[in-house]
Amino acid sequence: GAGVSQTPSNKVTEKGKYVELRCDPISGHTALYWYRQSLGQGPEFLIYFQGTGAADDSGLPNDRFFAVRPEGSVSTLKIQRTERGDSAVYLCASSRDGSGNTIYFGEGSWLTVV
Amino acid sequence: GQQVMQIPQYQHVQEGEDFTTYCNSSTTLSNIQWYKQRPGGHPVFLIQLVKSGEVKKQKRLTFQFGEAKKNSSLHITATQTTDVGTYFCAGPRSSASKIIFGSGTRLSIRP
Repeated sequence: GAGVSQTPSNKVTEKGKYVELRCDPISGHTALYWYRQSLGQGPEFLIYFQGTGAADDSGLPNDRFFAVRPEGSVSTLKIQRTERGDSAVYLCASSRDGSGNTIYFGEGSWLTVV
Repeated sequence: GQQVMQIPQYQHVQEGEDFTTYCNSSTTLSNIQWYKQRPGGHPVFLIQLVKSGEVKKQKRLTFQFGEAKKNSSLHITATQTTDVGTYFCAGPRSSASKIIFGSGTRLSIRP
């Protein structure tokens, strides 16, 4: 597509529920990133895919967070047993080849856990 | 782990005044990238610098990459209300590494 697309744009869920956030990167981009941004903070790295594999998942805060990219294009970030502290904007970004090049962000998914 | 800090955290200037934000990394960076995020928006790429000591200009914006490739600065000359937003630096420690973002500098402007 023309840009990085993320769905849903907004999600309100109850504490303890399971959530999936989807990212459709720019067509042809092999690298895909997930970041989390809280109000007044910079984007916090979560995970980075090169193709289908997670090249670096060191930013995932705990085992409730998991991400997949089975066909090397669309990615899904999965959060189990959501907690109020998970409330944030989840940003997806993609880049052409992941060699430290410019990354292009989607609009983000605003997650609120109540 | 790798950390990227920016100062100041906030800057409030009169329209027409200059603005500078400084970025410092705890590790050498392969390149430095700058992004701008408008209130309620997502970060948008501005520029990338790769070489030690590199300086690039975009109209009223001047970007510099330090000789040691651990620091960078963004300078805006004669700010305008359209410059309002948060400016982030970001960079990978090496090519194919994760890209770490700085804490950002939020610029607000008095018309």
